[in-house]
Amino acid sequence: GQNIDQPTEMTATEGAIVQINCTYQTSGFNGLFWYQQHAGEAPTFLSYNVLDGLEEKGRFSSFLSRSKGYSYLLLKELQMKDSASYLCAVSADTGGFKTIFGAGTRLFVKA
Amino acid sequence: EAQVTQNPRYLITVTGKKLTVTCSQNMNHEYMSWYRQDPGLGLRQIYYSMNVEVTDKGDVPEGYKVSRKEKRNFPLILESPSPNQTSLYFCASSFQGETQYFGPGTRLLVL
Repeated sequence: GQNIDQPTEMTATEGAIVQINCTYQTSGFNGLFWYQQHAGEAPTFLSYNVLDGLEEKGRFSSFLSRSKGYSYLLLKELQMKDSASYLCAVSADTGGFKTIFGAGTRLFVKA
Repeated sequence: EAQVTQNPRYLITVTGKKLTVTCSQNMNHEYMSWYRQDPGLGLRQIYYSMNVEVTDKGDVPEGYKVSRKEKRNFPLILESPSPNQTSLYFCASSFQGETQYFGPGTRLLVL
Protein backbone atom coordinates (compact mmCIF):
# COMPACT_ATOMS: atom_id res chain seq x y z
CA GLY A 1 0.00 0.00 0.00
CA GLN A 2 0.90 3.66 -0.06
CA ASN A 3 1.83 5.25 3.22
CA ILE A 4 3.48 8.44 4.42
CA ASP A 5 4.20 8.92 8.11
CA GLN A 6 5.14 12.06 9.95
CA PRO A 7 4.70 13.15 13.57
CA THR A 8 1.35 14.72 14.39
CA GLU A 9 2.65 17.62 16.47
CA MET A 10 5.92 19.19 17.53
CA THR A 11 6.77 22.12 19.76
CA ALA A 12 9.95 24.19 19.59
CA THR A 13 11.28 27.45 20.94
CA GLU A 14 11.79 30.65 18.99
CA GLY A 15 15.37 30.85 17.68
CA ALA A 16 15.93 27.09 17.92
CA ILE A 17 16.31 24.39 15.25
CA VAL A 18 13.65 21.75 14.60
CA GLN A 19 13.71 18.65 12.40
CA ILE A 20 10.48 17.18 11.05
CA ASN A 21 10.82 13.61 9.84
CA CYS A 22 8.87 11.85 7.12
CA THR A 23 8.98 8.20 6.11
CA TYR A 24 7.25 6.87 3.05
CA GLN A 25 6.29 3.64 1.34
CA THR A 26 4.85 4.15 -2.12
CA SER A 27 4.51 2.01 -5.22
CA GLY A 28 6.47 4.54 -7.26
CA PHE A 29 8.67 7.52 -6.56
CA ASN A 30 9.32 10.59 -8.64
CA GLY A 31 10.23 13.08 -5.94
CA LEU A 32 9.35 14.34 -2.48
CA PHE A 33 7.80 17.68 -1.60
CA TRP A 34 7.46 19.70 1.55
CA TYR A 35 4.65 22.22 1.82
CA GLN A 36 3.80 24.69 4.57
CA GLN A 37 0.19 25.33 5.52
CA HIS A 38 -0.93 28.01 7.95
CA ALA A 39 -4.27 27.46 9.65
CA GLY A 40 -7.16 28.22 7.32
CA GLU A 41 -4.90 28.79 4.32
CA ALA A 42 -3.73 26.90 1.26
CA PRO A 43 -0.50 24.88 1.27
CA THR A 44 2.52 26.66 -0.16
CA PHE A 45 5.59 25.02 -1.68
CA LEU A 46 8.79 24.80 0.37
CA SER A 47 11.04 22.24 -1.29
CA TYR A 48 11.31 19.41 -3.78
CA ASN A 49 13.89 16.61 -3.55
CA VAL A 50 14.48 14.19 -6.38
CA LEU A 51 17.99 12.97 -5.60
CA ASP A 52 19.51 11.85 -2.30
CA GLY A 53 21.09 14.52 -0.18
CA LEU A 54 20.46 17.87 1.42
CA GLU A 55 18.88 20.85 -0.32
CA GLU A 56 19.29 24.16 1.47
CA LYS A 57 17.11 27.20 0.93
CA GLY A 58 17.62 29.96 3.44
CA ARG A 59 16.43 28.93 6.89
CA PHE A 60 14.85 25.77 5.49
CA SER A 61 16.66 22.61 4.38
CA SER A 62 15.29 19.29 3.17
CA PHE A 63 17.01 15.92 3.09
CA LEU A 64 16.14 12.79 1.15
CA SER A 65 17.30 9.17 1.33
CA ARG A 66 15.51 7.15 -1.32
CA SER A 67 16.99 3.83 -0.19
CA LYS A 68 15.59 4.38 3.30
CA GLY A 69 12.30 5.95 2.23
CA TYR A 70 13.11 8.87 4.52
CA SER A 71 13.14 12.62 4.40
CA TYR A 72 13.36 15.45 6.88
CA LEU A 73 12.69 19.16 6.87
CA LEU A 74 15.05 21.26 8.96
CA LEU A 75 13.98 24.69 10.11
CA LYS A 76 16.64 26.95 11.61
CA GLU A 77 16.36 30.17 13.61
CA LEU A 78 12.72 29.49 14.29
CA GLN A 79 10.33 32.41 14.20
CA MET A 80 6.82 32.66 15.57
CA LYS A 81 5.49 32.86 12.02
CA ASP A 82 6.85 29.34 11.40
CA SER A 83 3.98 27.99 13.51
CA ALA A 84 2.09 26.03 10.86
CA SER A 85 1.50 22.54 9.54
CA TYR A 86 4.21 20.99 7.41
CA LEU A 87 3.09 18.49 4.79
CA CYS A 88 5.29 15.80 3.33
CA ALA A 89 4.16 14.59 -0.10
CA VAL A 90 5.43 12.04 -2.59
CA SER A 91 5.02 12.26 -6.33
CA ALA A 92 4.24 8.61 -6.78
CA ASP A 93 4.44 7.93 -10.49
CA THR A 94 6.87 8.69 -13.28
CA GLY A 95 4.51 11.23 -14.80
CA GLY A 96 4.41 13.07 -11.50
CA PHE A 97 0.67 13.31 -11.54
CA LYS A 98 -0.34 11.14 -8.63
CA THR A 99 0.59 12.86 -5.38
CA ILE A 100 0.25 11.32 -1.95
CA PHE A 101 0.32 13.54 1.12
CA GLY A 102 1.10 12.71 4.70
CA ALA A 103 -1.32 13.91 7.36
CA GLY A 104 0.97 16.80 8.22
CA THR A 105 2.97 17.86 11.28
CA ARG A 106 1.62 20.76 13.26
CA LEU A 107 4.52 22.83 14.58
CA PHE A 108 4.04 25.17 17.52
CA VAL A 109 6.76 27.77 18.07
CA LYS A 110 6.77 29.26 21.56
CA ALA A 111 8.52 32.35 22.80
CA GLU B 1 -0.89 37.90 -10.87
CA ALA B 2 -0.37 34.16 -11.24
CA GLN B 3 -3.04 32.39 -9.26
CA VAL B 4 -5.51 29.57 -8.82
CA THR B 5 -9.03 30.65 -7.99
CA GLN B 6 -11.89 28.62 -6.57
CA ASN B 7 -15.57 29.44 -6.20
CA PRO B 8 -17.44 29.42 -3.98
CA ARG B 9 -15.16 29.75 -0.96
CA TYR B 10 -17.89 28.59 1.41
CA LEU B 11 -20.96 26.51 0.69
CA ILE B 12 -23.71 25.01 2.80
CA THR B 13 -26.03 22.63 0.99
CA VAL B 14 -28.38 19.73 1.61
CA THR B 15 -28.03 16.06 0.81
CA GLY B 16 -28.72 15.24 -2.83
CA LYS B 17 -28.60 18.77 -4.26
CA LYS B 18 -26.11 18.83 -7.13
CA LEU B 19 -23.32 21.34 -6.86
CA THR B 20 -20.25 22.45 -8.77
CA VAL B 21 -17.08 23.98 -7.39
CA THR B 22 -15.16 25.87 -10.04
CA CYS B 23 -11.38 26.08 -10.33
CA SER B 24 -9.45 28.28 -12.71
CA GLN B 25 -5.74 28.95 -13.20
CA ASN B 26 -4.04 31.64 -15.28
CA MET B 27 -0.57 30.08 -15.50
CA ASN B 28 -1.18 27.91 -18.59
CA HIS B 29 -0.49 24.83 -16.47
CA GLU B 30 -1.13 21.44 -18.01
CA TYR B 31 -1.73 19.62 -14.76
CA MET B 32 -4.63 20.26 -12.38
CA SER B 33 -5.86 18.33 -9.39
CA TRP B 34 -8.56 18.28 -6.72
CA TYR B 35 -7.94 17.35 -3.09
CA ARG B 36 -10.03 17.12 0.02
CA GLN B 37 -8.56 17.80 3.43
CA ASP B 38 -9.99 16.28 6.59
CA PRO B 39 -8.61 16.45 10.14
CA GLY B 40 -6.08 13.72 10.80
CA LEU B 41 -6.16 12.49 7.22
CA GLY B 42 -4.30 15.20 5.38
CA LEU B 43 -4.81 16.00 1.73
CA ARG B 44 -6.30 13.19 -0.34
CA GLN B 45 -6.35 13.37 -4.11
CA ILE B 46 -9.81 13.09 -5.69
CA TYR B 47 -9.13 13.49 -9.41
CA TYR B 48 -6.37 14.90 -11.52
CA SER B 49 -5.97 15.99 -15.11
CA MET B 50 -2.84 15.89 -17.22
CA ASN B 51 -4.28 18.07 -19.99
CA VAL B 52 -7.49 18.98 -21.78
CA GLU B 53 -9.88 16.01 -21.98
CA VAL B 54 -7.45 13.82 -19.99
CA THR B 55 -8.46 12.98 -16.42
CA ASP B 56 -7.82 10.17 -13.99
CA LYS B 57 -8.93 9.04 -10.56
CA GLY B 58 -6.99 9.81 -7.44
CA ASP B 59 -7.39 7.96 -4.15
CA VAL B 60 -10.93 9.03 -3.24
CA PRO B 61 -12.96 9.59 -6.45
CA GLU B 62 -16.27 8.08 -5.31
CA GLY B 63 -19.12 10.58 -5.43
CA TYR B 64 -17.23 13.12 -7.52
CA LYS B 65 -16.96 13.98 -11.19
CA VAL B 66 -14.62 16.32 -13.07
CA SER B 67 -14.22 17.66 -16.56
CA ARG B 68 -11.40 19.43 -18.39
CA LYS B 69 -12.81 21.07 -21.48
CA GLU B 70 -10.42 24.01 -21.36
CA LYS B 71 -6.87 24.16 -20.09
CA ARG B 72 -7.56 26.83 -17.49
CA ASN B 73 -10.68 25.31 -15.87
CA PHE B 74 -11.19 22.13 -13.88
CA PRO B 75 -14.58 22.05 -12.14
CA LEU B 76 -15.45 19.53 -9.43
CA ILE B 77 -19.00 18.20 -9.57
CA LEU B 78 -20.91 16.53 -6.76
CA GLU B 79 -23.98 15.00 -8.41
CA SER B 80 -25.66 13.95 -5.16
CA PRO B 81 -23.73 15.28 -2.17
CA SER B 82 -23.81 13.39 1.10
CA PRO B 83 -22.76 14.46 4.62
CA ASN B 84 -19.51 12.47 4.36
CA GLN B 85 -18.43 14.87 1.63
CA THR B 86 -18.35 17.71 4.12
CA SER B 87 -14.74 18.80 3.88
CA LEU B 88 -12.24 21.45 2.84
CA TYR B 89 -11.50 21.19 -0.88
CA PHE B 90 -8.40 22.45 -2.65
CA CYS B 91 -7.72 22.77 -6.33
CA ALA B 92 -4.09 22.82 -7.48
CA SER B 93 -2.19 23.25 -10.72
CA SER B 94 1.36 22.72 -11.88
CA PHE B 95 3.36 22.94 -15.07
CA GLN B 96 4.15 19.24 -15.42
CA GLY B 97 3.12 17.60 -12.19
CA GLU B 98 5.90 19.06 -10.09
CA THR B 99 5.48 22.03 -7.73
CA GLN B 100 1.77 22.52 -7.19
CA TYR B 101 0.09 25.88 -6.67
CA PHE B 102 -3.03 25.66 -4.57
CA GLY B 103 -6.23 27.64 -4.67
CA PRO B 104 -7.58 29.24 -1.48
CA GLY B 105 -9.88 26.34 -0.65
CA THR B 106 -13.63 25.75 -0.53
CA ARG B 107 -15.33 24.82 2.73
CA LEU B 108 -18.31 22.59 2.04
CA LEU B 109 -20.94 21.58 4.56
CA VAL B 110 -23.53 19.02 3.47
CA LEU B 111 -26.51 18.76 5.80
